[in-house]
Amino acid sequence: DTGVSQDPRHKITKRGQNVTFRCDPISEHNRLYWYRQTLGQGPEFLTYFQNEAQLEKSRLLSDRFSAERPKGSFSTLEIQRTEQGDSAMYLCASSWGLAGWTDTQYFGPGTRLTVL
Amino acid sequence: EDKVVQSPLSLVVHEGDTVTLNCSYEVTNFRSLLWYKQEKKAPTFLFMLTSSGIEKKSGRLSSILDKKELFSILNITATQTGDSAIYLCAVPTGGFKTIFGAGTRLFVKA
Repeated sequence: DTGVSQDPRHKITKRGQNVTFRCDPISEHNRLYWYRQTLGQGPEFLTYFQNEAQLEKSRLLSDRFSAERPKGSFSTLEIQRTEQGDSAMYLCASSWGLAGWTDTQYFGPGTRLTVL
Repeated sequence: EDKVVQSPLSLVVHEGDTVTLNCSYEVTNFRSLLWYKQEKKAPTFLFMLTSSGIEKKSGRLSSILDKKELFSILNITATQTGDSAIYLCAVPTGGFKTIFGAGTRLFVKA
């Protein structure tokens, strides 16, 4: 296992379409994060999974966004009815940690979404 | 509201120069501060700082944390063109959310 992988790397879609991204974390990692990054900004937290449980979700995340991590392995992030403002790089990160543990997150290469 | 602020936002230097990047934070239940380097794609981990006054070093890079004044600095000595990147500061909050600063864009001229 060489690291976190994400698929696809690039996605171009038309406004109103649904898109789904996949993240495969480092195999022994129990924590998984999704972030969104726009030009000139740092990554913005979207949601967090510990194993299969989604424990935190950003208030900025609208109802059009949903994420899953079935069986605590890979994760998917779906955006329904995409809008031009959804255009960004979507980054996935994984780590291993216990409760209260500060973890080092390892990032995947990201999925760049362009909504036309 | 929790926040992480980095300065400067961008920096252009010549090879061989020394640079200092700043990160200030206001976060409840502070536990650690992390530095990442982002080139074309994913951020890669540089340092994790948890204790004040203890310098972390890796080659030409070093970093230190001041928990009293709520800031950290990242130093790069003898800069090289390969140091050109965005340097991100990140602070985990009391929950599971990590807040990133906007980053400092460093460009090292040959």
